Amino acid sequence: KNEVEQSPQNLTAQEGEFITINCSYSVGISALHWLQQHPGGGIVSLFMLSSGKKKHGRLIATINIQEKHSSLHITASHPRDSAVYICAVLQGGSEKLVFGKGTKLTVNP
Amino acid sequence: KAGVTQTPRYLIKTRGQQVTLSCSPISGHRSVSWYQQTPGQGLQFLFEYFSETQRNKGNFPGRFSGRQFSNSRSEMNVSTLELGDSALYLCASKGTPGNTEAFFGQGTRLTVV
Repeated sequence: KNEVEQSPQNLTAQEGEFITINCSYSVGISALHWLQQHPGGGIVSLFMLSSGKKKHGRLIATINIQEKHSSLHITASHPRDSAVYICAVLQGGSEKLVFGKGTKLTVNP
Repeated sequence: KAGVTQTPRYLIKTRGQQVTLSCSPISGHRSVSWYQQTPGQGLQFLFEYFSETQRNKGNFPGRFSGRQFSNSRSEMNVSTLELGDSALYLCASKGTPGNTEAFFGQGTRLTVV
């Protein structure tokens, strides 16, 4: 079993829909990152969380440390949101980021 | 402020050769981490450098090595290339190690033929 599990693996939505991507982890962490990767490879850091909730524009990320679970929400989705979204955890006491396999999101116009 | 710069962006090498990839972190950042991304394994941690010292290493063979210079620029080297080393190699920089945001480069896509 992977230390970081994401669901779903693939997600197709219509423009305007509310999107939720989930991430569960099994190790102790000091922080959790949500990353976005577009075709071509470059990765953009969307959020870094260690507790609670963060919001940036149409994106919201939440984390529940007790349940070892985080969610990334996209409100009013748009075709430009189409990308792979990756959850990564920074293991406690380590500099090592452990990644989920990613969720490929396609938003159709 | 310039972002994380990786060079080259694309590289084709032959089995058995060696390769050196470069990463220039954001100005002022002293922590650089390297990751390998393959379709089968996803993203995996290679190693992390801070102030010219390797602080952490992932589960990769000794053919994978790296270093960091006094200006925080980092290089990673892969010797005796194998077909399975074909991957996107990403580096990320942080101001300091620990619970701080990581900024990623565009990656170097290495193809071994």
